[in-house]
Amino acid sequence: AQSVTQLDSHVSVSEGTPVLLRCNYSSSYSPSLFWYVQHPNKGLQLLLKYTSAATLVKGINGFEAEFKKSETSFHLTKPSAHMSDAAEYFCVVSDSRGGGADGLTFGKGTHLIIQP
Amino acid sequence: DSGVTQTPKHLITATGQRVTLRCSPRSGDLSVYWYQQSLDQGLQFLIQYYNGEERAKGNILERFSAQQFPDLHSELNLSSLELGDSALYFCASSVTGGPYEQFFGPGTRLTVL
Repeated sequence: AQSVTQLDSHVSVSEGTPVLLRCNYSSSYSPSLFWYVQHPNKGLQLLLKYTSAATLVKGINGFEAEFKKSETSFHLTKPSAHMSDAAEYFCVVSDSRGGGADGLTFGKGTHLIIQP
Repeated sequence: DSGVTQTPKHLITATGQRVTLRCSPRSGDLSVYWYQQSLDQGLQFLIQYYNGEERAKGNILERFSAQQFPDLHSELNLSSLELGDSALYFCASSVTGGPYEQFFGPGTRLTVL
């Protein structure tokens, strides 16, 4: 079974300061990990993905995430927050068995607030 | 724009009724997934179809069913609706099954009164 824990339900940062959204995962197999973003009243957009290649993954809009197997973590970072980053962020896991349930398992989400 | 389309955008209905939500995947994608997003349960995987056949089931109620047609579009049928079924329903698609990124549609907001 796979699961995801997003350690903060809300994160508030000032515009221009770094962003850190924390995620820990559990998977019985080699996981694929994703971060999705959901802006108000919008669908989900893929920010970045890890699928067993480089452990430091670069995504869109300046976001990065680092896969740390020893810590079972996949934290999302951005050096400098922008007002347009205000949204809900979901950490997502999919194990790489293939052939079985391929639905994604979502964390409960972190609401990112950007203060002017 | 992800390339996944969902209709309708909004749906308001009464308890006990039945509704059908429709999804068209991205061109070339064979796999379609349905998710439910509610305030209390968060985002939950409901069911997956791959090239017309059911591939996996998640937390889908027996009152709910889905199918994928030969042209690869999919429909999610919700029956005997209850107040608690009010939620956002998302469809996603991917090229194949497996641990690949899924592309999400804009969702259908269902309100059961």
